[in-house]
Amino acid sequence: QKEVEQDPGPLSVPEGAIVSLNCTYSNSAFQYFMWYRQYSRKGPELLMYTYSSGNKEDGRFTAQVDKSSKYISLFIRDSQPSDSATYLCAMTRGEGYSTLTFGKGTMLLVSP
Amino acid sequence: NAGVMQNPRHLVRRRGQEARLRCSPMKGHSHVYWYRQLPEEGLKFMVYLQKENIIDESGMPKERFSAEFPKEGPSILRIQQVVRGDSAAYFCASSRRAVQESNYGYTFGSGTRLTVV
Repeated sequence: QKEVEQDPGPLSVPEGAIVSLNCTYSNSAFQYFMWYRQYSRKGPELLMYTYSSGNKEDGRFTAQVDKSSKYISLFIRDSQPSDSATYLCAMTRGEGYSTLTFGKGTMLLVSP
Repeated sequence: NAGVMQNPRHLVRRRGQEARLRCSPMKGHSHVYWYRQLPEEGLKFMVYLQKENIIDESGMPKERFSAEFPKEGPSILRIQQVVRGDSAAYFCASSRRAVQESNYGYTFGSGTRLTVV
């Protein structure tokens, strides 16, 4: 079983739709959870950063972490064509660890 | 305020040659991380460095790969005697402090795409 599982997609939605992206993980030691967006031929860009369980909202983006289920989600409201990219979940353990474990990424396509 | 700068953006090497990838972290960042992204694969951690020190190299292949972050100048990821399987995008990231000590993750560069022919 991989440490972090993420459906590669592609996920195709019309403009304005609510998008739900998810990752599951197996290592209960993970404490910090992140979502990155990666446009084609570019480096990943940090979107959301959360610690432990709960929700965090930033504009059109909401990140959810459910540690009991080892499940994290990213919701995008009012999706735009410019949101078309690959979304990577990433996570790391607590004190003493700075390396991130990434999912493979989900490709999102938002059509106008 | 320039971001993380990586060069070259594209690098083509013949099998058996050496590849040198450079990374200049963001101003004020003293933590540097190298990740590799193989086709159809996620980002995989390779090595974590602070100035003049390798903190964690658990993701580095044991042979042919080395990394440094000297007191002056960029961090260098060096791959000796490259093989076709080394073809990938190599990303560098930097942070001001360790991830768990801050409320943000890394800042990534745009990557170096290595092609071994």
